[in-house]
Amino acid sequence: AQTVTQSQPEMSVQEAETVTLSCTYDTSESDYYLFWYKQPPSRQMILVIRQEAYKQQNATENRFSVNFQKAAKSFSLKISDSQLGDAAMYFCAYRSRNQAGTALIFGKGTTLSVSS
Amino acid sequence: DTGVSQNPRHKITKRGQNVTFRCDPISEHNRLYWYRQTLGQGPEFLTYFQNEAQLEKSRLLSDRFSAERPKGSFSTLEIQRTEQGDSAMYLCASSLGVAGRTYNEQFFGPGTRLTVL
Repeated sequence: AQTVTQSQPEMSVQEAETVTLSCTYDTSESDYYLFWYKQPPSRQMILVIRQEAYKQQNATENRFSVNFQKAAKSFSLKISDSQLGDAAMYFCAYRSRNQAGTALIFGKGTTLSVSS
Repeated sequence: DTGVSQNPRHKITKRGQNVTFRCDPISEHNRLYWYRQTLGQGPEFLTYFQNEAQLEKSRLLSDRFSAERPKGSFSTLEIQRTEQGDSAMYLCASSLGVAGRTYNEQFFGPGTRLTVL
């Protein structure tokens, strides 16, 4: 079975600074997707960034980028130029690519606080 | 397109009572998922529908839980004889499955927070 581990329950960053959230995962599959989701307080979860395991290039979405290390099974999220609106719970998630309808497997999350 | 909606947003019930939650997916999304999120944890998969067919159920979905998706539109999740351990946020997500495409983004609803006293 696949597992996702986020070892940082809480992180903090100052506005305009950069922060990195860590995630490791375990799987025997070679083809899969990895995701970072953001869950603001009392609001719904939204997708931040997606990485396909077969792609060596790290995904980027504006201020968000990932460091995907497939051999190490590591998938960290870097947030550059942090903004107050980035404060939220961040979840790392895994999904098999073998089946189209497969559910997401989430880590326990990291609460990110942003101070001005 | 107003996104995935869930009702009610909050539900407080006494132990032993039955509760039912509703999820309205994004229109035309043929896939629908239910997840449970307890305090301090990430969401855990409960069950998955493609159209009206329930294709996958997690071991977390005990006999007291039942989910339906009549006509492949909205879905309901019922918990019978609720227990205090059922207190959690119940999240619904939907996606548009396209033949030949393995990736389809899941869009989440705001969740229903259940408190069992």
